[in-house]
Amino acid sequence: GAGVSQSPSNKVTEKGKDVELRCDPISGHTALYWYRQRLGQGLEFLIYFQGNSAPDKSGLPSDRFSAERTGESVSTLTIQRTQQEDSAVYLCASSPGTDLYGYTFGSGTRLTVV
Amino acid sequence: AQSVTQPDIHITVSEGASLELRCNYSYGATPYLFWYVQSPGQGLQLLLKYFSGDTLVQGIKGFEAEFKRSQSSFNLRKPSVHWSDAAEYFCAVGTPNMRFGAGTRLTVKP
Repeated sequence: GAGVSQSPSNKVTEKGKDVELRCDPISGHTALYWYRQRLGQGLEFLIYFQGNSAPDKSGLPSDRFSAERTGESVSTLTIQRTQQEDSAVYLCASSPGTDLYGYTFGSGTRLTVV
Repeated sequence: AQSVTQPDIHITVSEGASLELRCNYSYGATPYLFWYVQSPGQGLQLLLKYFSGDTLVQGIKGFEAEFKRSQSSFNLRKPSVHWSDAAEYFCAVGTPNMRFGAGTRLTVKP
């Protein structure tokens, strides 16, 4: 597609429920990233996928968080047993996979846990 | 470890005035440095990036940034601010995993 697409744009869930957030990267972009942005704060790195290599999961805050990506296509970020502190905007970005490019970000999914 | 500090949480400037947003980084090697802008209700947009070479880099929307290794800084500048520049600005370091600063919110007074 023309840009990075994220869905849903907004999600309200009850504490304890599981949620899935979806990211469609730009076609041909081999690298995909997930970040979390809490209200009034900067971006917090969560996970990074590069092609078929093992993902860098070093930023995942707990084992309730997981992400998958099949090849160089769609990625899904799953949060199990959501907590109120999980409320944030979850941003996905993709890049062509070389060092010379910044990311292209999606518009994010605003998650509210009530 | 990579880290970025943006010392100013909020800056207010008058329209037409010059602007400088500060960014200090900690990085073990030659840094890859970026500035992004996040306008209200919109996604992050890349303003400019530095990898090597000329330490003064030009970006979009009339912005520039200067890399100063001795000061571990990568400050963003614009000679004359427009009302449409009001936004949140993020400095970031590293590749492939970028580490972002906490951001500086820019308010532009008429």
